[in-house]
Amino acid sequence: GDQVEQSPSALSLHEGTGSALRCNFTTTMRAVQWFQQNSRGSLINLFYLASGTKENGRLKSTFNSKESYSTLHIRDAQLEDSGTYFCAGLNTGYQNFYFGKGTSLTVIP
Amino acid sequence: AQTIHQWPVAEIKAVGSPLSLGCTIKGKSSPNLYWYWQATGGTLQQLFYSITVGQVESVVQLNLSASRPKDDQFILSTEKLLLSHSGFYLCAWSLYRANSDYTFGSGTRLLVI
Repeated sequence: GDQVEQSPSALSLHEGTGSALRCNFTTTMRAVQWFQQNSRGSLINLFYLASGTKENGRLKSTFNSKESYSTLHIRDAQLEDSGTYFCAGLNTGYQNFYFGKGTSLTVIP
Repeated sequence: AQTIHQWPVAEIKAVGSPLSLGCTIKGKSSPNLYWYWQATGGTLQQLFYSITVGQVESVVQLNLSASRPKDDQFILSTEKLLLSHSGFYLCAWSLYRANSDYTFGSGTRLLVI
């Protein structure tokens, strides 16, 4: 079964608003990484967390390894934030990043 | 600064034809290297990883092979493409296999017809 459950699968936000994306892990993960995939397919590294919270501009991410979930908060959404967001969990046993199925974000003017 | 370069950017190939995709990392010695595959509209799946020159481990069997002929080079190939090989191929590197973030290349889009 899937080791990473990502939600929502799609999200529409008006410019200036915010929301949260979430990943639940069914196995223990050592760390989590969040990516934005742009229209060309390139994966842009947003955050890497082994624990706790990191913030960068309008984005903030938290990883709770005990409760096996991670969140990505977007505030004051801009048009350039549109794209697909993936979380990936680093599995402690197999040392492999397992990706979620992605959240397709559309920011509406 | 480290840079990761993938080639080609895109390919259209016939079923049964051979394939070779390349990835080079500059600015980092002895990186851990990875090949990922993303089916159209799907998530990413690790195919191979390599810790050192000449050593490659397969994670998922997709009738593909990988080689690491040089410290900074990772090659993905097959002698006979299948329709199911279509998708987006991404190369990545990390400092360590455990507890280290991944940096991805810009990918190769492959269409098999």
